[in-house]
Amino acid sequence: QKEVEQNSGPLSVPEGAIASLNCTYSDRGSQSFFWYRQYSGKSPELIMFIYSNGDKEDGRFTAQLNKASQYVSLLIRDSQPSDSATYLCAVNQGYQKVTFGTGTKLQVIP
Amino acid sequence: DTGVSQDPRHKITKRGQNVTFRCDPISEHNRLYWYRQTLGQGPEFLTYFQNEAQLEKSRLLSDRFSAERPKGSFSTLEIQRTEQGDSAMYLCASSLDTGNEKLFFGSGTQLSVL
Repeated sequence: QKEVEQNSGPLSVPEGAIASLNCTYSDRGSQSFFWYRQYSGKSPELIMFIYSNGDKEDGRFTAQLNKASQYVSLLIRDSQPSDSATYLCAVNQGYQKVTFGTGTKLQVIP
Repeated sequence: DTGVSQDPRHKITKRGQNVTFRCDPISEHNRLYWYRQTLGQGPEFLTYFQNEAQLEKSRLLSDRFSAERPKGSFSTLEIQRTEQGDSAMYLCASSLDTGNEKLFFGSGTQLSVL
C-alpha cells in the first residue's frame, strides 16, 4: 500500500464548476496535510495546508480532513482554465518527512 | 529574490560520470529537503537536513548518492557513477522549523544521463 494515494486523473471539469480532488494516506500518526499545485515544467507550489479535522477555506479553495477515514480532499470552486495543473497531496508523517502522492492532473475546460 | 535557488537548471552527463548539484535555501529556513521527481510521478523523498545534521535518508537511496549541508546553509547533492535510471528532476525545498513543514521548492535541476 502506498503511503499517500491519489487518482492520477485526468480530472476534467467545465469552467465555473467545482473540482474535487481526493487523497488517502496510510500512516495514522500523520499530523499535517498539504496540497501543492504543479504546473507542467514547474516546481510544486504550496496552496493549502490543514492540521485538524474539518474544513479549511482560503478563497476558492477548501481543504477537508477526516483523520478517522485517513482522507484529505481539496475543493476548487468556480474552476478556471488557469487552475489546470497537477495537484499533489502531501503528508507529514510526524517525523518531519513529507511524503507526496503521485498527483492528480486537473483539466478545466473553457 | 530570496526564494530557494538551485544550480544548475539542467545537467547532461554520460553514464558513469559524477555530478553535483547545489541548493541555496531561503535564508532563515533551517530545514532543507532533497526530492527526486520523474515524469508522471510525485516528488520522491531522498533526504533532509535540520541545520547541518542529516536526519533522515531514504532507504531507497543507493550509496552512490550523498548529500551535505556544511554550516547549515547551502546543500550539495552528489551522484557518483551515474546511471540512466538517475535521469530525473532533482528538487530542493526548505522550511522553517515550526513543526508544520510547509515546503518551499526551488526550480529544480533536470538531470539527463546518456
